[in-house]
Amino acid sequence: EVQLVESGGGLVKPGGSLRLSCAASGFTFTNYGMNWVRQAPGKGLEWVSTITSTSGHIYYADSVKGRFTISRDNAGNSLYLQMNSLRAEDTAVYYCVRILQPSAMGVWGHGTTVTVSS
Amino acid sequence: QSVLTQPPSVSAAPGQKVTISCSGSSSNIGNNYVSWYQQLPGTAPKLLIYDNNKRPSGIPDRFSGSKSGTSGTLGITGLQTGDEADYYCATWDSSLSGYVFGTGTKVTVL
Repeated sequence: EVQLVESGGGLVKPGGSLRLSCAASGFTFTNYGMNWVRQAPGKGLEWVSTITSTSGHIYYADSVKGRFTISRDNAGNSLYLQMNSLRAEDTAVYYCVRILQPSAMGVWGHGTTVTVSS
Repeated sequence: QSVLTQPPSVSAAPGQKVTISCSGSSSNIGNNYVSWYQQLPGTAPKLLIYDNNKRPSGIPDRFSGSKSGTSGTLGITGLQTGDEADYYCATWDSSLSGYVFGTGTKVTVL
């Protein structure tokens, strides 16, 4: 069974840092590009970042550029999102998503909640 | 804010049909594939339609997608109470070099 399991969410103060992880199983992780997508409370979906299968191409939403870093460990079947200089507006559920080429989001994790508050 | 525009809500009686529009531009829908996602209350989104009109295995043919120019459309026929959810369109935006989502549409079964 294809599974994506996020972890690492929690409560952090403004200006703080957090590292999200996504453990992938049930498929050949190295064959897929991956996304992080977030959803603020009561709001719609917002794309955060994309990393291609070999980490050769990385993209960020303007709202997180310079503060967030996406990475992956293909040997460990894991995806990461390092989040620095966190702001209240980064409060959201963060989803790990497997890309269905060329541009759909085929498999979603259950999400991990990040709350930025003093 | 969202680059793709959807109606905030649509509704119909059980068994009826609804359509949801997704309006974009030449930098996104006009030159890239549209996908659609269903988000049931309290759950993660799920892929319904990809590459404009293809359904993943397990998605009933009551759900259909189409694209014309810079707009995409999701259709749901034989509406069921279990279809009550939020629906989002998405695509790649070549100018932004990133994905863009629609504003989301809440489907209500009367």
